[in-house]
Amino acid sequence: GENVEQHPSTLSVQEGDSAVIKCTYSDSASNYFPWYKQELGKRPQLIIDIRSNVGEKKDQRIAVTLNKTAKHFSLHITETQPEDSAVYFCAARVVDGNEKLTFGTGTRLTIIP
Amino acid sequence: NAGVTQTPKFRILKIGQSMTLQCTQDMNHNYMYWYRQDPGMGLKLIYYSVGAGITDKGEVPNGYNVSRSTTEDFPLRLELAAPSQTSVYFCASSYLGNEQFFGPGTRLTVL
Repeated sequence: GENVEQHPSTLSVQEGDSAVIKCTYSDSASNYFPWYKQELGKRPQLIIDIRSNVGEKKDQRIAVTLNKTAKHFSLHITETQPEDSAVYFCAARVVDGNEKLTFGTGTRLTIIP
Repeated sequence: NAGVTQTPKFRILKIGQSMTLQCTQDMNHNYMYWYRQDPGMGLKLIYYSVGAGITDKGEVPNGYNVSRSTTEDFPLRLELAAPSQTSVYFCASSYLGNEQFFGPGTRLTVL
C-alpha cells in the first residue's frame, strides 16, 4: 500500500519568514495530494491540494509543489503569521477505485512573534 | 448545511463496555470515512464506505464495526472497549474521493 513520510515533525519560524514542509510517497500511481491544517483541538481542514498533472499550485501565501519523478511534494508558506501555527498533514491518494487517503505523520508549525 | 456532525463529543467508557459513535453528513457525499487520532499523532483510517451498503476495512479495523444503511449516516461501533481505543475519532465525507470534510471529532477515553 501507499506510504507517506513527512518532514520535519516540528518547525519553528520567525513571524514573516517562510516555512517549508516536505512529503514523500511510495506509490507512483498516486495522483492527488492534499494538505490539511489542524489547529489545536479542532478538526483537520483542507488548505490546498494538487493533482499529478500539475507541478505547482498557489493560493495567496500558500503554495504546493509536486515532483512526480522523485515522488515528493512540498508545502510552502510565505510571510508567516501567528495564525499559521498549527499541525499540517500531507496526504496522498491512489486512484484504485477505493479513494482512500494515506496521511503523513504531521508537522507542528510554531510561528514565533 | 451542517456539514459533518458527530455525537457524542466526549465519552468515558469502562473496559469491556460497548458504544456507537454517530456520524451524519448532509452534503449528499457518497464516500465516508472513520479515522482515529492518538495524541500527537496522525490520522489512521479505521473503516470507509464508498456508498450505502458498501463498507471496507482501513488500516486499523480491529475492535470496530461499521454499517452504512443510508447515504447520510455512518455509525462506528466499538465492542468490548479496551484502553488502546482511547483516542479522538473523526468522521469524514467526500464526493468521489476529493476534498474530505471532517466532523468535529469524538474524544473517547477507556478506563
